[in-house]
Amino acid sequence: AQTVTQSQPEMSVQEAETVTLSCTYDTSESDYYLFWYKQPPSRQMILVIRQEAYKQQNATENRFSVNFQKAAKSFSLKISDSQLGDAAMYFCAYPRSQGNLIFGKGTKLSVKP
Amino acid sequence: GAVVSQHPSWVICKSGTSVKIECRSLDFQATTMFWYRQFPKQSLMLMATSNEGSKATYEQGVEKDKFLINHASLTLSTLTVTSAHPEDSSFYICSAPRRQGQETQYFGPGTRLLVL
Repeated sequence: AQTVTQSQPEMSVQEAETVTLSCTYDTSESDYYLFWYKQPPSRQMILVIRQEAYKQQNATENRFSVNFQKAAKSFSLKISDSQLGDAAMYFCAYPRSQGNLIFGKGTKLSVKP
Repeated sequence: GAVVSQHPSWVICKSGTSVKIECRSLDFQATTMFWYRQFPKQSLMLMATSNEGSKATYEQGVEKDKFLINHASLTLSTLTVTSAHPEDSSFYICSAPRRQGQETQYFGPGTRLLVL
């Protein structure tokens, strides 16, 4: 069965600094997607970035980038130049064949001014 | 991006009553929608898959008679919590892919349910 593991319940970063959130997953599939979602205090789920497994190049969206290590089944999120608005819960997610997402337990990110 | 709405955004009800939560895809048609439940400080857990024109598929441990799902049209799925009890108090979120088979999910803003 597919699983998603986030081993960092909480992380803290100074404003303007860089932080990396970890995620590992388990799957027997060879072609798949991976996602990072952000959930701010409003609790609206917001897509941060997605990675296609067949692409060797790591995905990047402005200040957000991933380090995708397919062989190690690792999918970490790097946030550069952290801003106060980045404070939120971050969930790593993997889509099941049925279409729904399997989420990790989440990492609560705090940004210090 | 695609827009998914939920109504109501929050609801307080008495124990024993039923509550209906609506999930709408506003700018696309969704043959499949997903209902998740999120307890405080926890992750999202799939409750059921809502299929337009057919019965919903429930995850193991989710009571289908308690959480009734109706996917009446290509833009609307409803979740009815029947005979609600305090332990049903939670945050309920729906999601849908913009296109069938697309992996990226678009989420509604969620519904906070408090059962007294």
